[in-house]
Amino acid sequence: SYELTQPPSVSVSPGQTASITCSGDKLGDRYACWYQQKPGQSPVLVIYQDNKRPSGIPERFSGSNSGNTATLTISGTQAMDEADYFCQAWDSSTAGGVFGGGTKLTVL
Amino acid sequence: EVQLVESGGGLVKPGGSLRLSCAASGFTFSNAWMSWVRQAPGKGLEWVGRIKSKTDGGTTDYAAPVKGRFTISRDDSKNTLYLQMNSLKTEDTALYYCTTDKAPNWATYYFDYWGQGTLVTVSS
Repeated sequence: SYELTQPPSVSVSPGQTASITCSGDKLGDRYACWYQQKPGQSPVLVIYQDNKRPSGIPERFSGSNSGNTATLTISGTQAMDEADYFCQAWDSSTAGGVFGGGTKLTVL
Repeated sequence: EVQLVESGGGLVKPGGSLRLSCAASGFTFSNAWMSWVRQAPGKGLEWVGRIKSKTDGGTTDYAAPVKGRFTISRDDSKNTLYLQMNSLKTEDTALYYCTTDKAPNWATYYFDYWGQGTLVTVSS
């Protein structure tokens, strides 16, 4: 089955750029998306189709996907961006959704 | 405004059954593809299964750990999605979310709206 791997944690200083990676075999051949989940809340879609932002998501969130790695980039990180982030792709061979294990972003 | 409200969670013994519901509003439910995604306490997200719209065949797909035990269905007249869970195991303990799905092409599939979740606890 298809697997996506994320680092368990990433730390960033306020105002700096945070990068969270998601690795999977030939991930660049399919589209990746990203969800933000704050404590006690439901996940929120922040990036879809590699680099598109849903309405209401700040411009500081961006994404890329090439080769075996998709990356979520948060520019000018704010304290409110502290959350868990999950990448996700679709495994068309099994017709199933696949999530990465999640990355806890700490802003300190 | 899209709203998804899950209900039906609770405590059930191993081997038992439970049916979850997801009441949808704010969009044309009959045209929507829908999924269930779960999250065990303190863990990550796990896709459970999906159902397509009836116009797209109404077919279902399931993750391997629940295939044969869980069944997703929909009642478009009630704007409601269901998850029938049978032969429950302790590892099925999780917060269960329903989602609206988008699949604009063969290579992309994502979950654009999420409910608040309903907690299922499987324990003796």
